[in-house]
Amino acid sequence: DAGVTQSPTHLIKTRGQQVTLRCSPKSGHDTVSWYQQALGQGPQFIFQYYEEEERQRGNFPDRFSGHQFPNYSSELNVNALLLGDSALYLCASSFFEGLPLFFGSGTQLSVL
Amino acid sequence: LAKTTQPISMDSYEGQEVNITCSHNNIATNDYITWYQQFPSQGPRFIIQGYKTKVTNEVASLFIPADRKSSTLSLPRVSLSDTAVYYCLVNTGTASKLTFGTGTRLQVTL
Repeated sequence: DAGVTQSPTHLIKTRGQQVTLRCSPKSGHDTVSWYQQALGQGPQFIFQYYEEEERQRGNFPDRFSGHQFPNYSSELNVNALLLGDSALYLCASSFFEGLPLFFGSGTQLSVL
Repeated sequence: LAKTTQPISMDSYEGQEVNITCSHNNIATNDYITWYQQFPSQGPRFIIQGYKTKVTNEVASLFIPADRKSSTLSLPRVSLSDTAVYYCLVNTGTASKLTFGTGTRLQVTL
C-alpha cells in the first residue's frame, strides 16, 4: 500500500517563474492538505481540498492555488515565485477530513 | 487556535525514557492533542492523539491531566533512531488547519 507520494522531490526555479507540485494521497484517502515548511520551522498550513473543492485556507496569498482531481490527487501551483517561497512543500492526506494526517516526503523548492 | 509551548531541545541517552511536556493553556473543550515526529527531509509522522487521561500505543504514551492545560509525550527506552523533531499540536480532531510550532528537537546519543 503506497503512502502519500509527491513529485518532484527537488525543484529549482528563478524568481517570477511558476511552479506546479503534485501529490497522490494514500490509498483510501479523499482529503488532501498542503503545507509549507521553511528551514528550521514547523509546517504552515496552505489549504485543504475535499471533493475537488478548496475547503480551508491558511494565510497565504492568491499566488498559491491548487486543484484536486476526481481520483483525489492534487496539485499545488505557485505563481510569480519569490525568494521567500523557497521551502519544503508537504502534502498530507486523510479520510473525510479526519485525523491522523499522513504526510509525504515533500518537494524541496529552491527559488534563485 | 490554542497556542502550544514546548522545549526547544532535549538530549537523552539511548535506553532512557524521554518525556516531552507541552503547555496549551487555552485549549478548548472540543480540542484534541496530537503529536507528530519528523526526521530531516521527511514529512511529519503521526505518533499519538488523545483527549484526556492516558493514551498508549506501540510507540508512545500520552498523559493528559484533568485540566488538559498540558500534556506529556513519553517515549520508552529511546534509541538513536528516535532522534527527530517532535511537534505537539492542539486541534479540533479534524484535518483542518493543523498548527505546528517549532517543535522539540530530541537528540539521542550512546
